[in-house]
Amino acid sequence: AQTVTQSQPEMSVQEAETVTLSCTYDTSENNYYLFWYKQPPSRQMILVIRQEAYKQQNATENRFSVNFQKAAKSFSLKISDSQLGDTAMYFCAFMKLGNQFYFGTGTSLTVIP
Amino acid sequence: DTGVSQDPRHKITKRGQNVTFRCDPISEHNRLYWYRQTLGQGPEFLTYFQNEAQLEKSRLLSDRFSAERPKGSFSTLEIQRTEQGDSAMYLCASSPDRGKRTGELFFGEGSRLTVL
Repeated sequence: AQTVTQSQPEMSVQEAETVTLSCTYDTSENNYYLFWYKQPPSRQMILVIRQEAYKQQNATENRFSVNFQKAAKSFSLKISDSQLGDTAMYFCAFMKLGNQFYFGTGTSLTVIP
Repeated sequence: DTGVSQDPRHKITKRGQNVTFRCDPISEHNRLYWYRQTLGQGPEFLTYFQNEAQLEKSRLLSDRFSAERPKGSFSTLEIQRTEQGDSAMYLCASSPDRGKRTGELFFGEGSRLTVL
């Protein structure tokens, strides 16, 4: 079975600063996808960024980037130039294509003005 | 594309009653997922469909839970004889199985269940 671990229940960052959220996972699969999802307070979950395991290059989406270390089974999210709208729960997720998603327990991020 | 919609958004019921939630996925998405989320936790997988076929169901799911997707479009999740422990947010998500966004989950806003 696959497991996803987020070891930081809560984090905070000053506006305009950079923050990194950690995620590790456990799998015996070689081909899979990794995702970071954002869930703002009382709002629906939306995708932040995705990474295909077969790609060595780390994914980036504007201010969001990942550090994917396949051998270490690590998938951290870096948010640069943090904005107040980044305040949310962040969930790391693992998926083998054709299978269910496995979510971590989440990291609550607060951006401080 | 109106996104994934769920109905009702909130449901308050008494213990022992049956409840049904509906999910309308994005029209071209073949995969549909149901998750349950309690406060401070990540989404917990319940079941998923490929078109009308229910391909997987969580072993944690009791027999009181049933889901259908009769025509491969909308889906319903029914909980029979509700218990207080069923109180949670029930999330529906759909996903394309081809194309650039394969595998990405698109979530609805959820249906919040409170069992008194």
